[in-house]
Amino acid sequence: AQSVTQPDIHITVSEGASLELRCNYSYGATPYLFWYVQSPGQGLQLLLKYFSGDTLVQGIKGFEAEFKRSQSSFNLRKPSVHWSDAAEYFCVSGTYKYIFGTGTRLKVLA
Amino acid sequence: DVKVTQSSRYLVKRTGEKVFLECVQDMDHENMFWYRQDPGLGLRLIYFSYDVKMKEKGDIPEGYSVSREKKERFSLILESASTNQTSMYLCASSLGQALYEQYFGPGTRLTVT
Repeated sequence: AQSVTQPDIHITVSEGASLELRCNYSYGATPYLFWYVQSPGQGLQLLLKYFSGDTLVQGIKGFEAEFKRSQSSFNLRKPSVHWSDAAEYFCVSGTYKYIFGTGTRLKVLA
Repeated sequence: DVKVTQSSRYLVKRTGEKVFLECVQDMDHENMFWYRQDPGLGLRLIYFSYDVKMKEKGDIPEGYSVSREKKERFSLILESASTNQTSMYLCASSLGQALYEQYFGPGTRLTVT
């Protein structure tokens, strides 16, 4: 069965530090892959998506993600984290429907 | 901007009550979805609809039903609320299925006592 794994439940980084959130998917073919962010008290917002082509995808708010087929991974990165990035991040795999990872909650230290 | 609105941000109901959660989208999207979000479980799909009066079960449909009489409105119904249905409920809409971005409402936090 298709699944998405986010191995880190919580991550804490200092403001200005780099960030990498991990995501692994399980699917026979290459699925559509997404990263969504949920800020406190708000609905989910799309950060970026990958369908095919260039494996490095740029998104909003300075985020990027790299698709690695050999590792079945789609990790989210940001070179310098801002306090406003504190939120919960969901990796999503989509074929017929969305399959959500369990989320990674990011805390940013001032 | 696409807007998805949900009728209530917070709702408290008693066990056994019939509960209606309403969702409205303003972008003429074909598809609408209901999810529940629980800590450590991410979002799980309850039901979705790909057209007016059409619906399909998601991963956890038990104890829920849905109604889509108009394209812009998708209702989630808890026929007889139970305490294990205490959760955050999120509605979303999209132009199509998995290829397309889903736009989410702010959520309804339902507490069943």
